[in-house]
Amino acid sequence: AQSVAQPEDQVNVAEGNPLTVKCTYSVSGNPYLFWYVQYPNRGLQFLLKYITGDNLVKGSYGFEAEFNKSQTSFHLKKPSALVSDSALYFCAVREAGDFNNDMRFGAGTRLTVKP
Amino acid sequence: DGGITQSPKYLFRKEGQNVTLSCEQNLNHDAMYWYRQDPGQGLRLIYYSQIVNDFQKGDIAEGYSVSREKKESFPLTVTSAQKNPTAFYLCASSSDRHRGRLTDTGELFFGEGSRLTVL
Repeated sequence: AQSVAQPEDQVNVAEGNPLTVKCTYSVSGNPYLFWYVQYPNRGLQFLLKYITGDNLVKGSYGFEAEFNKSQTSFHLKKPSALVSDSALYFCAVREAGDFNNDMRFGAGTRLTVKP
Repeated sequence: DGGITQSPKYLFRKEGQNVTLSCEQNLNHDAMYWYRQDPGQGLRLIYYSQIVNDFQKGDIAEGYSVSREKKESFPLTVTSAQKNPTAFYLCASSSDRHRGRLTDTGELFFGEGSRLTVL
């Protein structure tokens, strides 16, 4: 069965600095990887996904993520953080081509961007 | 606009009462899901349905029930058997593979959530 680990409960960065939110995964076959963002008392919003192809994936709001198969990682990055990026971020994985397996989410990382 | 609508946004329940959370989607998605979110635990799958009139238990189905009589609707009932029902509940849908036909890459679309508090 697939699983996701987000090793940091909390990430703090200063506005204008680069940010990284870490994610590692485990699947039997090839992964489909996703990042979602959640604002307080709201649902999850899709940011980006890796399906196949280029290891660097670009998504919404200037976010990007790099798929690293050897390290089984899919870290979320942004070159210059904004205060409005402060939110809860979830990494998720599904096994490619087998949607009888559900999507597995990490526990979430709370990002705080300080002015 | 296409999307997923959950209602109510906030719900209060007395102990021993059943409550039903509504989830409606107009995305023409085959699959629908219910997740429970507790602080520090991420999302845990309660039930999911890949087709009308069929659904499967997730990791924490005890104390919950669902129905899927229409493609657009997937209501969740929190029964009195659920010992700790206070949580944030999220409904999602996706255009999953059905009967061997791969329709999408499995991205989930979420509603805005329903917060249930037991008094």
